[in-house]
Amino acid sequence: DAGVIQSPRHEVTEMGQEVTLRCKPISGHNSLFWYRQTMMRGLELLIYFNNNVPIDDSGMPEDRFSAKMPNASFSTLKIQPSEPRDSAVYFCASSLALRQAGVEQYFGPGTRLTVT
Amino acid sequence: DAKTTQPPSMDCAEGRAANLPCNHSTISGNEYVYWYRQIHSQGPQYIIHGLKNNETNEMASLIITEDRKSSTLILPHATLRDTAVYYCIVSQGGSEKLVFGKGMKLTVNP
Repeated sequence: DAGVIQSPRHEVTEMGQEVTLRCKPISGHNSLFWYRQTMMRGLELLIYFNNNVPIDDSGMPEDRFSAKMPNASFSTLKIQPSEPRDSAVYFCASSLALRQAGVEQYFGPGTRLTVT
Repeated sequence: DAKTTQPPSMDCAEGRAANLPCNHSTISGNEYVYWYRQIHSQGPQYIIHGLKNNETNEMASLIITEDRKSSTLILPHATLRDTAVYYCIVSQGGSEKLVFGKGMKLTVNP
């Protein structure tokens, strides 16, 4: 199994540009999560989907951030326009939720975003 | 509103057991205890989880006190590769949300 795949692994962009991060969850998993990690704020959940439907987006910082999951094998996190304070490592994770407790999440390697 | 409390750091000698404590005194009856770890520059890795009973898998053992107000993650034979930040998380049964705190840095020394 390839695990959770994220692309790109590194992204450097200028303030004001649009940034799109991509994630391919583990095949067969039905939940997908986007996290952001910074030194100041630690690891924060931004949004998660179940069966391609957004369930909780309360962690999305502002309207500049949007996430989509058009199908079970692909999700994007878009920032438009990007700002220097968006610089962070963005992780995608997936899990198999079967309406039972105790479900482990599998994380991708992350995308390191730098906005100059 | 952290639900768990962990010491900021701990050292352990290679080959010895590493016992990582976690306090979760406000845990409710349907909340699970999860442990994840994050090795430098990698994504977090699931280790183990439990509700009431002690649990063991190929990575670690989880000991939960009878009152469920604290738990201990045990790495039976720590190696240098176990050096990481370890997160103890409490999450409601049926909920998929995990709230990561600051975790605890475990350093395994040769």
